[in-house]
Amino acid sequence: DQQVKQNSPSLSVQEGRISILNCDYTNSMFDYFLWYKKYPAEGPTFLISISSIKDKNEDGRFTVFLNKSAKHLSLHIVPSQPGDSAVYFCAATARNFGNEKLTFGTGTRLTIIP
Amino acid sequence: GAVVSQHPSRVICKSGTSVKIECRSLDFQATTMFWYRQFPKQSLMLMATSNEGSKATYEQGVEKDKFLINHASLTLSTLTVTSAHPEDSSFYICSARDSGSGGREEQYFGPGTRLTVT
Repeated sequence: DQQVKQNSPSLSVQEGRISILNCDYTNSMFDYFLWYKKYPAEGPTFLISISSIKDKNEDGRFTVFLNKSAKHLSLHIVPSQPGDSAVYFCAATARNFGNEKLTFGTGTRLTIIP
Repeated sequence: GAVVSQHPSRVICKSGTSVKIECRSLDFQATTMFWYRQFPKQSLMLMATSNEGSKATYEQGVEKDKFLINHASLTLSTLTVTSAHPEDSSFYICSARDSGSGGREEQYFGPGTRLTVT
């Protein structure tokens, strides 16, 4: 049972344009969401997070949007740069329920075309 | 940011032998560490939650007698793959929670260990 899904396994975006990565979840108890960037043979690197009490969080070129009613979140990267090429994972946890575990999505491979 | 190290970064072992992977939090204390496994082109799957001074909590389907976890101190957790078989070949990643903060990052990840069983 995949509680966190990223339906696009891959995405190609022109350099300078906006990259939009999507993530859907099914567990209503999730109240904190994170995005990670990962290169092959390396551990994930934290990018940005959002609490369920917010619908948007911005950090430099990265913005995460949360739509609780739709159980959907997205990561916007603008402008996209070649160094952004990597696999992106969204993850979710139920902080307020004392759950420390992260549930990861299936990942989206982003390729930025110079 | 907080740093988590793993050792070794890659290991090749023969079928039937055991392999120990170390996970250390270098500049913070971690009462809780997590062990994940990632198969090629797949997501990170949580194997177990390692709690300092107590038994690990394993996820459904993970054999606790095969994947031994020890969290003997606030900065070190070890995963031992016992009697390894080729199907255990994978990328193992640990993470740690900073006990001293409810930070936004939730968990800090190590660089991973590539295990190949021949």
